[in-house]
Amino acid sequence: NAGVMQNPRHLVRRRGQEARLRCSPMKGHSHVYWYRQLPEEGLKFMVYLQKENIIDESGMPKERFSAEFPKEGPSILRIQQVVRGDSAAYFCASSPALQTPGELFFGEGSRLTVL
Amino acid sequence: AQSVTQPDIHITVSEGASLELRCNYSYGATPYLFWYVQSPGQGLQLLLKYFSGDTLVQGIKGFEAEFKRSQSSFNLRKPSVHWSDAAEYFCAVFGAGNMLTFGGGTRLMVKP
Repeated sequence: NAGVMQNPRHLVRRRGQEARLRCSPMKGHSHVYWYRQLPEEGLKFMVYLQKENIIDESGMPKERFSAEFPKEGPSILRIQQVVRGDSAAYFCASSPALQTPGELFFGEGSRLTVL
Repeated sequence: AQSVTQPDIHITVSEGASLELRCNYSYGATPYLFWYVQSPGQGLQLLLKYFSGDTLVQGIKGFEAEFKRSQSSFNLRKPSVHWSDAAEYFCAVFGAGNMLTFGGGTRLMVKP
């Protein structure tokens, strides 16, 4: 039973390019969360999605960032026109439903470096 | 809105010594509380959780945590630390908006 799969594990972009991060939740999980971890900091919530729906995007910057979780395929976190401040580790987590609230299963993260 | 504070950014203990990592939370209702561990370059792994009932909860790898409502605390403990416990530890509360809110983390270093 594969865990949460994130790719790419490492991504290097130049300022102004686009970054696209993918997350495949664990089998049977319908809830996906994205968190960002800046160097030497904790994890900050970005967005919470269920299939085809954004439930809460209060932690995501209003500009340049978007997320989706289509009916088929992985969840995508997209960052347009990246800037140096976007350099961070982006973690995806999934959960089956709310019967075990807060018990999230994390991927190993995608580490974005913006040159 | 909920929040979590981990007062200690770094802690160093000798191998075999006991460990306590502090966590204080702020949340209006009965909280769901968690401790996660992150090894370098890895994702987070759940150590233990508190939902209700017994305030002393046992987790994996010999860790335990005690929920103290009067102090709004959920401190993590281990009686004897192993070198492999060196990692970053995050306390988290699950609350409004169905999301986990994390503390800033405590980086544990273990001296031989």
